[in-house]
Formats: sequence, C-alpha cells, structure tokens
Amino acid sequence: DIVMTQTPLSLSVTPGQPASISCKSSQSLLHSDGKTYLYWYLQKPGQPPQLLIYEVSNRFSGVPDRFSGSGSGTDFTLKISRVEAEDVGVYYCMQSIQLPWTFGQGTKVEIK
Amino acid sequence: EVQLVESGGGLVKPGGSLRLSCAASGFTFSSYSMNWVRQAPGKGLEWVSSISSSSSYIYYADSVKGRFTISRDNAKNSLYLQMNSLRAEDTAVYYCARVGVFLGIDYWGQGTLVTVSS
Repeated sequence: DIVMTQTPLSLSVTPGQPASISCKSSQSLLHSDGKTYLYWYLQKPGQPPQLLIYEVSNRFSGVPDRFSGSGSGTDFTLKISRVEAEDVGVYYCMQSIQLPWTFGQGTKVEIK
Repeated sequence: EVQLVESGGGLVKPGGSLRLSCAASGFTFSSYSMNWVRQAPGKGLEWVSSISSSSSYIYYADSVKGRFTISRDNAKNSLYLQMNSLRAEDTAVYYCARVGVFLGIDYWGQGTLVTVSS
C-alpha cells in the first residue's frame, strides 16, 4: 500500500497568517497518463470531508483562492495564504493512483 | 446539487450483519463510480470499497474483504454496503462518496454511524 505521511500533525495559526501542510507519499503518484493523483480535503468539525484540491494543484468548485496546492512525484504541499476562522478542521491528503486509496493521518489546524 | 444520504447504521453485536444504503440525487448516478469510506471515532479516513458505474469493477480493502459486499442499483440511484461478520474494529462513521471525473472523491455524504458492541 502507498503510505501518505503528513507534517505537521497539528498547526496553530493566527488569522491572516499563512499556513503550510506537507504530504509525502511512499511511491510516486505520477501516472503514465501524465496526471498526478493527489488530493486535499478539509474536514470541518462535525462535518464530512470536503474536496479542496484535485490532481495536486486544481482548486475544486467554490474553493477560495487562498488555498493552493503544489508538488510533484512524492512531495506535495497545501498552502493557505491567509488563514481565516472558517479554515479550522483537519486536512487530509489522499492518493488514488493505486488501490487501496490511502489518506494521510490528517493535520489539525486551529486558530490562535 | 449533488446529494448523498446514507442510512442503515446502528448498534449491532459482534458477528452480526448490517446493510447500509446511500441515496444519490442531483447527478446522473449511473455515470459515476462510487466508494464507501469509513472513519473510526476520533481517527482518520479509511477507504473501504469501490464500485464502477456499471458494477463491472469492484474492489475492497483487505480489512473487509470476504465480509463486506458493495452493490448498486442504478435504476434506484442507490449504493449499498452489506456488512457481515462485523467486528468491534468496524465501528466507524461510514461515508458514501462519489468518484469525480478526475478519479478522486469529489462529494461525500453526511455519514452513518455503525457501532459494533456487545
């Protein structure tokens, strides 16, 4: 199975400040079709996960542009340019290049 | 608007069975692969099972293989998960999730809680 490792596991951020979460995979997520199957989700308290970013860097419909994703191969980053109170929750990366699809452990983001 | 509504969760004894359902609306259900993903209390996300749009391809996590069966009824816009031989470690919120055109999960239901306990 592909292991997804996120760092840090928790983050406390002052509103308006940036935040960054790293996700590393144990195998390359670059498919022979040229796409990289790495996704980012946010699970707000008491809610199901919601998609933020697909294929490394594409924002999903309705996702604010303060969220951005980058990376390649096995190293990926989610950045929030200016954290807002509504961004609190647990962020997960996920790979779908190989079954079983696997998730990172999650990074809990709190507001200072 | 895409909507996924799970039902069928509850309390069941170890060794028991439960059938989860997911009612889909707001999109052409028969065109999309679907997944079940679970989350144990206070824990992370675990992919459970996947079924292609026409049920031609079905996959399971090793942890549930041989005990769980995923199925769908495109005429009823519904996804199912038959869970047999349940164990305490199957206790979790089970989410129905749609696989988007980019091969990742794009929409999730609200989840249904399954508790396996004597």
